[in-house]
Amino acid sequence: DGGITQSPKYLFRKEGQNVTLSCEQNLNHDAMYWYRQDPGQGLRLIYYSQIVNDFQKGDIAEGYSVSREKKESFPLTVTSAQKNPTAFYLCASSGEGGTGELFFGEGSRLTVL
Amino acid sequence: RKEVEQDPGPFNVPEGATVAFNCTYSNSASQSFFWYRQDCRKEPKLLMSVYSSGNEDGRFTAQLNRASQYISLLIRDSKLSDSATYLCVVGGSNDYKLSFGAGTTVTVRA
Repeated sequence: DGGITQSPKYLFRKEGQNVTLSCEQNLNHDAMYWYRQDPGQGLRLIYYSQIVNDFQKGDIAEGYSVSREKKESFPLTVTSAQKNPTAFYLCASSGEGGTGELFFGEGSRLTVL
Repeated sequence: RKEVEQDPGPFNVPEGATVAFNCTYSNSASQSFFWYRQDCRKEPKLLMSVYSSGNEDGRFTAQLNRASQYISLLIRDSKLSDSATYLCVVGGSNDYKLSFGAGTTVTVRA
């Protein structure tokens, strides 16, 4: 089945540790996105990539890093510099940039202990 | 001011009722508009795109009012399965950056 796979689904991290969230898609989409969702708030864009080997900061990129070495993969690293990393992280892809449907993975819940 | 604002609700309605809610956006240059549905602790899924002329998909009707900068969603003959949070999504001049509202929660009771 075509879709987006995120892993891990749940992750616990100690303060000061970096953690990498995986996102893989087999939809052959050029555009990929990382969002963060906090209770009572809309999704906020962390990073997005329009094409392989290129990515741009979103609205809340500080404390995060990404890479886009392959079309199907867009991993997100939450670094120790991110002050409030506990959140629900959603990866998405689109075949039409922002004008078409976003397909989301099931999300990764990160909790910092 | 937030780019996209929604009434958080919750809207509690009986089965069979009609429920409607709006979403306002601040960027007059916005080009694309969507409603997504998100179930509790799940990922959002596209419900429908919103076109200038308005559009309908079964029991769901979406409208766009560019002059007043809002979009609306109306659900007729509500089902228990319609209980969810509905996210308003707006695309601006940069087609790759979409702005999400915080969502409107709808609960349909038997």
